[in-house]
Amino acid sequence: DIVMTQTPLYLPVTPGESASISCRSSQSLLESVDGNTYLDWYLQKPGQSPQLLIYTLSYRASGVPDRFSGSGSGTDFTLNISRVEAEDVGVYYCMQRIEFPWTFGQGTKVEIK
Amino acid sequence: QVQLVQSGAEVKKPGSSVTVPCRVSGVIFSNYAINWVRQAPGQGLEWMGGIIPIFGPANYAQRFQDRVTITADESTSTAYLEVSSLRSEDTAVYYCTRALTMTEVANRKHYTMDVWGQGTTVTVSS
Repeated sequence: DIVMTQTPLYLPVTPGESASISCRSSQSLLESVDGNTYLDWYLQKPGQSPQLLIYTLSYRASGVPDRFSGSGSGTDFTLNISRVEAEDVGVYYCMQRIEFPWTFGQGTKVEIK
Repeated sequence: QVQLVQSGAEVKKPGSSVTVPCRVSGVIFSNYAINWVRQAPGQGLEWMGGIIPIFGPANYAQRFQDRVTITADESTSTAYLEVSSLRSEDTAVYYCTRALTMTEVANRKHYTMDVWGQGTTVTVSS
């Protein structure tokens, strides 16, 4: 199985500032046939179901503010949040879906300082 | 608007089975994938398996292969997750998810988990 490793696991943030979460996969998530990288990001807000933020490396899901952006290549990926807001608190997960079984990172808990 | 409605909480004895339904509304049921993800108390997310109803058999994570069955009933637009031989470690919230789009490249289907149900809590306790 592909192992997904996130850092940091805990991230205190100041409203208005930027934040970054890293995710590393044990093998490349680049699909050579179509050039897509099958890496998604999810946010689970307190007491809620997870929600899709970013899919296929860098595409924002419907309704996701442009403060969120995904980047990276191969095995190293980053979720950036610019101008963090209080509503951004929760646990962020990266997930690979280039092959079964789909696997998630451990999660990064983001809290407001 | 796509909605996934799951059933209420379940309490089960070790060794028994549980079936968790997920009713899909607001979209054609059969065309796109339904997946199941679970979350043990205080833990992260774990993908269990998924099915694209019009294409038939489900895919499973190897660790669940022997105890989990995912099915879909097109007549009621409902997907089901059955977990057998329950043990205490199966205590978790079980989420169904639904893709809204799908692409196919070199006979491989690609989709993601766009919409999530509210989750069903399953507690396994003697």
